[in-house]
Amino acid sequence: ILNVEQSPQSLHVQEGDSTNFTCSFPSSNFYALHWYRWETAKSPEALFVMTLNGDEKKKGRISATLNTKEGYSYLYIKGSQPEDSATYLCALNRDDKIIFGKGTRLHILP
Amino acid sequence: DAGVTQSPTHLIKTRGQHVTLRCSPISGHKSVSWYQQVLGQGPQFIFQYYEKEERGRGNFPDRFSARQFPNYSSELNVNALLLGDSALYLCASSLGLAGVDTQYFGPGTRLTVL
Repeated sequence: ILNVEQSPQSLHVQEGDSTNFTCSFPSSNFYALHWYRWETAKSPEALFVMTLNGDEKKKGRISATLNTKEGYSYLYIKGSQPEDSATYLCALNRDDKIIFGKGTRLHILP
Repeated sequence: DAGVTQSPTHLIKTRGQHVTLRCSPISGHKSVSWYQQVLGQGPQFIFQYYEKEERGRGNFPDRFSARQFPNYSSELNVNALLLGDSALYLCASSLGLAGVDTQYFGPGTRLTVL
């Protein structure tokens, strides 16, 4: 069974601070990793699709890195803003299945 | 352009009944995937359909079935509903296979089984 683990489960960050969290997965047979942001009462929104070891992607204040050999990806948020409050999900493609982690719930404190 | 649409928004059923959920992908997208999401968990993969063929199936019982139509819209069917089927059902579409291409999610159908 493929397990995609995300940590921490929940995170409180002061507005203006930077933060990061982790997605871990078995490194064998890696194909692609996705990051999503899911705000309350909205649909999950795709942030990044990453396929290559060493990949780095950036979208505004959010960036992500990928290490397929050791089986992890980091998501970074620089200068957190209230609109960053959401659940951040990662998902892995394996054997024609898309496996999601449980997510990291990010709360931005004013 | 319209995003992914799902119907109905909410649904209440009783145990043993059957339910059909519908999804219309973004125009031009050929893949539709279905997910079940319960509180505290990430979305659980149910099916992916690409070009009207099943391309992936999650660990769900045979009570769950789906199909994709020539216009790429999709239906998810659940028979003999159980209380544990109560969840948010999400549909996502992508240009190509969901594992590689960006997925765009619909607003979901909230199913309550009494």
